[in-house]
Amino acid sequence: AQSVTQPDIHITVSEGASLELRCNYSYGATPYLFWYVQSPGQGLQLLLKYFSGDTLVQGIKGFEAEFKRSQSSFNLRKPSVHWSDAAEYFCAVGRGYGQNFVFGPGTRLSVLP
Amino acid sequence: ETGVTQSPTHLIKTRGQQVTLRCSSQSGHNTVSWYQQALGQGPQFIFQYYREEENGRGNFPPRFSGLQFPNYSSELNVNALELDDSALYLCASGRDGTDTQYFGPGTRLTVL
Repeated sequence: AQSVTQPDIHITVSEGASLELRCNYSYGATPYLFWYVQSPGQGLQLLLKYFSGDTLVQGIKGFEAEFKRSQSSFNLRKPSVHWSDAAEYFCAVGRGYGQNFVFGPGTRLSVLP
Repeated sequence: ETGVTQSPTHLIKTRGQQVTLRCSSQSGHNTVSWYQQALGQGPQFIFQYYREEENGRGNFPPRFSGLQFPNYSSELNVNALELDDSALYLCASGRDGTDTQYFGPGTRLTVL
């Protein structure tokens, strides 16, 4: 069965600092990987996705993620964090339909001024 | 693509009651999925509908049921509410074959 782990429950960074959020997955086939962001009281917004091809994918809001098959990882990065990036970040794996779409537990990002 | 809407925004029910949550998918999206997100957790897949038929189901009991209508709107029905059903319920829609889901803002259900 597929699963997703996000080892960091809560991360705090200073505004302007770089950011890396970790995601590890277990999936029996070629993974479809996603990062979503959720602001307080809001739904989930898609940041980026990886299906195939170039292992470094660019997303919205200056985020990027790198797929590493050997490490079963899909870490999210941003070179310079803005205060508005404070939110909950979820990694997900699987296809977009059926029961194969699984979310990780999330990482809460706090940004210090 | 952020045209998914949900109603109501908040809802309070008592244990044993029944509830219906509604979702309006983005135009052209023919799949709709429902997720339950308990406080402090990631979303858990409830089920998905494709062309008005259930297309997959997570580990949720039969008292969770749904409908998808020809205009791609959808309902989630929960019977015999339990305290543990208190959560944010998210609807997500997508186009067959694109494997990307777009989420609505959610309905916050509180069961007392």
